[in-house]
Amino acid sequence: EVHLSESGGGLVQPGGSLRLSCAASGFTFTNYAMTWVRQAPGKGLEWVSAIKGSGYSTFYADSVKGRFTISRDNSRKTVFLLMNSLRVEDSAVYYCAKGDNSGIYNWFDPWGQGTLVTVSS
Amino acid sequence: EIVLTQSPVTLSLSPGERATLSCRASQSISSDLAWYQQKPGQAPRLLIYDASNRATGIPARFSGSGSVTDFSLIISSLEPEDFAVYYCQQRSDWPITFGQGTKLEI
Repeated sequence: EVHLSESGGGLVQPGGSLRLSCAASGFTFTNYAMTWVRQAPGKGLEWVSAIKGSGYSTFYADSVKGRFTISRDNSRKTVFLLMNSLRVEDSAVYYCAKGDNSGIYNWFDPWGQGTLVTVSS
Repeated sequence: EIVLTQSPVTLSLSPGERATLSCRASQSISSDLAWYQQKPGQAPRLLIYDASNRATGIPARFSGSGSVTDFSLIISSLEPEDFAVYYCQQRSDWPITFGQGTKLEI
């Protein structure tokens, strides 16, 4: 069974940093892109960042470009999201999701349970 | 950026009724559309991909149709567990975008 489990969320002050992790199991990790999607409280879904299966190509939403960095450790079957210069508007539940192929044009299935990031002073 | 507009924002129905949810794209996306269901406190779940293909384990009462710019998610006979928020998503062009959601309520 495919399973994703996020960790690393929490409360951070504006301008601070957090690193989220997503541990994967139940599939050949290197064959699939991985994506982070966020959801602000009471709002809809926003695609944030993606990384190809190889790990050599990464992609970002304009709203986080230059501040967030996605990476993956294929030996540990884990994907990371390093978030710097955090803003209040980055507060959200962050989900990691498995793509349906190794590229970036994906459907997302399954999703992890999410980890809450709160940016507040 | 492709904008996906879902309608209605809220749909009030009863168990056993038929639900039709719509998603309109701001430009042609062929059949590159998926639907997700999200229940309170849970992660989204993939229901339909490539506009009309049910994901693994999804009941047959869920169906998807449409192409180019106009798409529909149909739930043929609502079960109590179907009351949730539904999102559409396109992967035709970068960046990947989601609709704003339709809340299906009793």
